[in-house]
Amino acid sequence: NAGVTQTPKFQVLKTGQSMTLQCAQDMNHEYMSWYRQDPGMGLRLIHYSVGAGITDQGEVPNGYNVSRSTTEDFPLRLLSAAPSQTSVYFCATKGGGRGQPQHFGDGTRLSIL
Amino acid sequence: EDKVVQSPLSLVVHEGDTVTLNCSYEVTNFRSLLWYKQEKKAPTFLFMLTSSGIEKKSGRLSSILDKKELFSILNITATQTGDSAVYLCALYSGAGSYQLTFGKGTKLSVIP
Repeated sequence: NAGVTQTPKFQVLKTGQSMTLQCAQDMNHEYMSWYRQDPGMGLRLIHYSVGAGITDQGEVPNGYNVSRSTTEDFPLRLLSAAPSQTSVYFCATKGGGRGQPQHFGDGTRLSIL
Repeated sequence: EDKVVQSPLSLVVHEGDTVTLNCSYEVTNFRSLLWYKQEKKAPTFLFMLTSSGIEKKSGRLSSILDKKELFSILNITATQTGDSAVYLCALYSGAGSYQLTFGKGTKLSVIP
């Protein structure tokens, strides 16, 4: 998906390990967010940011940290991975103005054993 | 708490059929309703609806919003196998909020 790049595409972790999911965008969008998608649950918001230096919690923030030091990057950190965090993670960005949709990256499929 | 309910959860049709996907919602401060198509990877944007009764159309896809009855429909005419996907409905709500609340999606399978 042009403009929003997520890395890695796949990752397997052991319980207790830490890792960072990367999200980068080149559209100069102020708003960025992280969602997780689980079977039967739809997409749920984890954390979001309305600009560099500003972050806030979404619906399911526990076990995840974020920071936003630049407009382009919005990494998601798992400090101590748990099997319940096995999911597909999507990063999304949104341009300025009320009439703009969010644009999603291709996702990171994360499995925690 | 905002709520988005999509129906049916899954649907199997033959090529050439017309399908209607439903999205109903409960929200304290409605701003807009969005439809996305998700194939194997990223959800891709289809429509954003803000006003009642105004149809949005793109090729064989169209959508309309009813703010009085709190629902939206997504129609696909002359379906093709390439329409097979999960269709997601989502809401922007709350003054100044850019958070999206998603439904669980409708999985559409189009068979030849």
